[in-house]
Amino acid sequence: EDQVTQSPEALRLQEGESSSLNCSYTVSGLRGLFWYRQDPGKGPEFLFTLYSAGEEKEKERLKATLTKKESFLHITAPKPEDSATYLCAVQVWGNKLVFGAGTILRVKS
Amino acid sequence: DTGVSQDPRHKITKRGQNVTFRCDPISEHNRLYWYRQTLGQGPEFLTYFQNEAQLEKSRLLSDRFSAERPKGSFSTLEIQRTEQGDSAMYLCASSSGGQVRDEKLFFGSGTQLSVL
Repeated sequence: EDQVTQSPEALRLQEGESSSLNCSYTVSGLRGLFWYRQDPGKGPEFLFTLYSAGEEKEKERLKATLTKKESFLHITAPKPEDSATYLCAVQVWGNKLVFGAGTILRVKS
Repeated sequence: DTGVSQDPRHKITKRGQNVTFRCDPISEHNRLYWYRQTLGQGPEFLTYFQNEAQLEKSRLLSDRFSAERPKGSFSTLEIQRTEQGDSAMYLCASSSGGQVRDEKLFFGSGTQLSVL
């Protein structure tokens, strides 16, 4: 069965303290890996798509990387407005995404 | 781009009642998805439409759930004989389709269902 595991479940950072979130996956055939951000009471907001090992994507303070078994979301010098739940999802067949449970990030000023 | 709109935002119902949710996707998007999310979990796929055709449906989806997308525009999700386990956030998403690398889903803010 296709599985996506995110760690840690929650992460507290001081403003400016860089860190990484992990997404490991066990799937039959990866077509694409997606990162989303979700704020409380809102739907997920698309951040990145990665589809081959070695690929990297960047957006402001966020950088996503992909290997054959996992993906990392690196957050450089985070700000309080980066506080959110970060969701990882994989697309294996058809058009459905399989999501992980997410990492809750809190950045304190 | 007015975004994906869902109605209602919140629904409280008694066990055994039927409920219906509506989703209006971004106007030029031909793909529409329904997901369900419970507290502390990621969204779980329910079903997918390409235009008006329902092409995928989760094997976990009970027969009490039905979705339609008449004329390939808005979609409705109906839950019959609701149970307490149906309490969740129901999310709708749409996309313009194309290759995997172009498959960017735009989510609505969801309908929060509470079954008492």
